[in-house]
Amino acid sequence: QKEVEQNSGPLSVPEGAIASLNCTYSDRGSQSFFWYRQYSGKSPELIMSIYSNGDKEDGRFTAQLNKASQYVSLLIRDSQPSDSATYLCAVNMGSNYQLIWGAGTKLIIKP
Amino acid sequence: GAGVSQSPRYKVAKRGQDVALRCDPISGHVSLFWYQQALGQGPEFLTYFQNEAQLDKSGLPSDRFFAERPEGSVSTLKIQRTQQEDSAVYLCASSSDNEQFFGPGTRLTVL
Repeated sequence: QKEVEQNSGPLSVPEGAIASLNCTYSDRGSQSFFWYRQYSGKSPELIMSIYSNGDKEDGRFTAQLNKASQYVSLLIRDSQPSDSATYLCAVNMGSNYQLIWGAGTKLIIKP
Repeated sequence: GAGVSQSPRYKVAKRGQDVALRCDPISGHVSLFWYQQALGQGPEFLTYFQNEAQLDKSGLPSDRFFAERPEGSVSTLKIQRTQQEDSAVYLCASSSDNEQFFGPGTRLTVL
């Protein structure tokens, strides 16, 4: 069974702090990893993709991938109330198109 | 140009009615996906098109669900004889490579 696991939260972080979101996946051969942000009542929005071990930074966002430990994380620096949303982790497990999705972590940034 | 569009945004159907949901992908995107999302869950894969070819329909929950993309652009997801358990948000995504971009979704409520 191919699975992607996320803590459902809610994860509460004070404004200005670093929010750390984690995701584990079951298929060691997975190649592509994605973080989506979903505001309540809206559709998922792609914020980061990562394909290689290590860190990838884009503005206040950093994705970290560790294939040996089968986890991928998302760090949000200088968290803002507008970052409050559900963050979905999606993994391409061997297929050239199909993504396996986690259930998402609800993040709350407290002013 | 524009992103993925979907219509209608909201649909209320009486149990037993047929519904048709439309997706207009990003121009030039070869791949098109349909997902079903229940509240508090990640998207669940329904079906995948590459141009006009439906390469994977393994996620369609029953033979009441049918999808087509006859000219390799616009796609329609049809649900026959709707049931209450079909109530969900139906998301369409398109892709030109690994990254999938979502439309706003259609919220289907079956009474």
